[in-house]
Amino acid sequence: SQTIHQWPATLVQPVGSPLSLECTVEGTSNPNLYWYRQAAGRGLQLLFYSVGIGQISSEVPQNLSASRPQDRQFILSSKKLLLSDSGFYLCAWTASGGRFGGYTFGSGTRLTVV
Amino acid sequence: SQQGEEDPQALSIQEGENATMNCSYKTSINNLQWYRQNSGRGLVHLILIRSNEREKHSGRLRVTLDTSKKSSSLLITASRAADTASYFCATDTSWGKLQFGAGTQVVVTP
Repeated sequence: SQTIHQWPATLVQPVGSPLSLECTVEGTSNPNLYWYRQAAGRGLQLLFYSVGIGQISSEVPQNLSASRPQDRQFILSSKKLLLSDSGFYLCAWTASGGRFGGYTFGSGTRLTVV
Repeated sequence: SQQGEEDPQALSIQEGENATMNCSYKTSINNLQWYRQNSGRGLVHLILIRSNEREKHSGRLRVTLDTSKKSSSLLITASRAADTASYFCATDTSWGKLQFGAGTQVVVTP
């Protein structure tokens, strides 16, 4: 069965520090991968998505970047965090090839920038 | 900008009652999906309805889709305390890229 792992669960980082959040998927190959951010009490904002290794599409210009070094690994990074980067970050995957069904989400990372 | 908008923003009901929430969207879709989120957790996929479908059922869930009105509804029948969560609609307009609404917070009291 397919599983998705996201870590860490919580993170408190000072302004100006770097960030690296990791997401891995098991039990499938060539998934579509997504990073979303959720502000408190709000819906999800799509940040990045990837349909293959090394392929990243950015939805919102910002202080963040994403990379996909392996087929089932998706990393969200920042060189210097801003206060506005605080939020709940969610990784998700879905099957590729046009047979799109529901997304499977990770358990999320609560990031607080102080 | 958000494609889907849920209504109401919050809903409080008692166990055994039905809960209905609505979602409106702006552009043509391939499919529409509903998700549940318990506080502080990831989202769980509930149901997907394709643009050529009008109604779908899954257990105590019933989803309708009216593409002419660009709207969908989610009905939860015989609510339980465990149904307390936020519910989001999401529209797939570009084969795999979902846009989410702000959600409906549902509280089911025993």
